[in-house]
Amino acid sequence: EAQVTQNPRYLITVTGKKLTVTCSQNMNHEYMSWYRQDPGLGLRQIYYSMNVEVTDKGDVPEGYKVSRKEKRNFPLILESPSPNQTSLYFCASSLSPFYRKGRANYGYTFGSGTRLTVV
Amino acid sequence: QKEVEQDPGPLSVPEGAIVSLNCTYSNSAFQYFMWYRQYSRKGPELLMYTYSSGNKEDGRFTAQVDKSSKYISLFIRDSQPSDSATYLCAIYRFFWRGKLIFGQGTELSVKP
Repeated sequence: EAQVTQNPRYLITVTGKKLTVTCSQNMNHEYMSWYRQDPGLGLRQIYYSMNVEVTDKGDVPEGYKVSRKEKRNFPLILESPSPNQTSLYFCASSLSPFYRKGRANYGYTFGSGTRLTVV
Repeated sequence: QKEVEQDPGPLSVPEGAIVSLNCTYSNSAFQYFMWYRQYSRKGPELLMYTYSSGNKEDGRFTAQVDKSSKYISLFIRDSQPSDSATYLCAIYRFFWRGKLIFGQGTELSVKP
């Protein structure tokens, strides 16, 4: 089944304890992205990647790191989590983020989300 | 000014109503416009796209872009309780390398 898999689904951690949220896709997509979703603020992009070893900062990259060493994996790293990083996180992947004529697949496919609580 | 703005609602309508969901955007250079739907406790899923100005129809859904007023709309005809979800508009520019900006999302509830 074509999917984006995030782990863990739920995580409670303490301030300052490094953590990694994994993301893997099995669709051979070039593009991958991380978003956080907060009430009243909507979905905000943290980092995105258009291919292996190519990553760009989104709107809210502070406190996060990513790496794209393989096409299928795009982990999100919080080196020193703080309570303001408590949020719902989504990983997404895409063959093309926008419609291209002749391409059946476009747009981001999202994972099921990771609910992170930092206390 | 935010690049894309969307009224968060919530919006409640009776079954069978026509629903109009809207976004405004700030930059006339934006080219690609999409609508995503997000059910409770799920990730968003792509619903429709439009490019430049004009309408695109898919079943009960119509996406519309008015570039002169920088306005994006999604219309749902004959709304069903299964349409109850949060609807997010999204914008993209060709050279953005994967960046995709979302509106806040409008929470829609369709009552039987």
